[in-house]
Amino acid sequence: ETGVTQTPRHLVMGMTNKKSLKCEQHLGHNAMYWYKQSAKKPLELMFVYNFKEQTENNSVPSRFSPECPNSSHLFLHLHTLQPEDSALYLCASSQDPGQVGSEQYFGPGTRLTVT
Amino acid sequence: AQSVTQLGSHVSVSEGALVLLRCNYSSSVPPYLFWYVQYPNQGLQLLLKYTSAATLVKGINGFEAEFKKSETSFHLTKPSAHMSDAAEYFCAPAGLTGGGNKLTFGTGTQLKVEL
Repeated sequence: ETGVTQTPRHLVMGMTNKKSLKCEQHLGHNAMYWYKQSAKKPLELMFVYNFKEQTENNSVPSRFSPECPNSSHLFLHLHTLQPEDSALYLCASSQDPGQVGSEQYFGPGTRLTVT
Repeated sequence: AQSVTQLGSHVSVSEGALVLLRCNYSSSVPPYLFWYVQYPNQGLQLLLKYTSAATLVKGINGFEAEFKKSETSFHLTKPSAHMSDAAEYFCAPAGLTGGGNKLTFGTGTQLKVEL
């Protein structure tokens, strides 16, 4: 596997379910990001992890719970979601979190539908 | 804080015609600027990056962008459109926040290429 991978690619869940999204980067990067992409809205940064430590939470509701056990893996735990949470969730990584202009590399995303 | 405006949410060109996608940024400091492309059902892919080394930046797939400080613009161009260029394009300035390296994405421009 190369680059940034995300599983599952598609997920349908009810509002009372609990599920998790997984992201893995094979680039040796030190920063990982979760983004939400909704129709007709700009990409929204949700969380940033630098060297496994969360450094940014962009006012994300607590029904989204991130976890970063190491620099290569990032999870997004989901519970009691709302239909408006349906979106494409993108994971990204970058080499140096402290260097402005460091490129971010994106995974293919998980298409989430909340019913 | 960085912000970006992409004029035209949809652009349609004929195959072989010039592609021009507009991006204007707002910042008090010289930025790093990115263009990303998103093909259907995929994540974002880096097209090119401006880092102040040269005002004309060449990217992948024949795309280039010119940084014009006086106009605070970073428009993306390609001399001759190909059907495979149909995708959504995002302009994103970069900056450092307390959370580290951060991209601020525009709302995107959907490019349609017609025969």
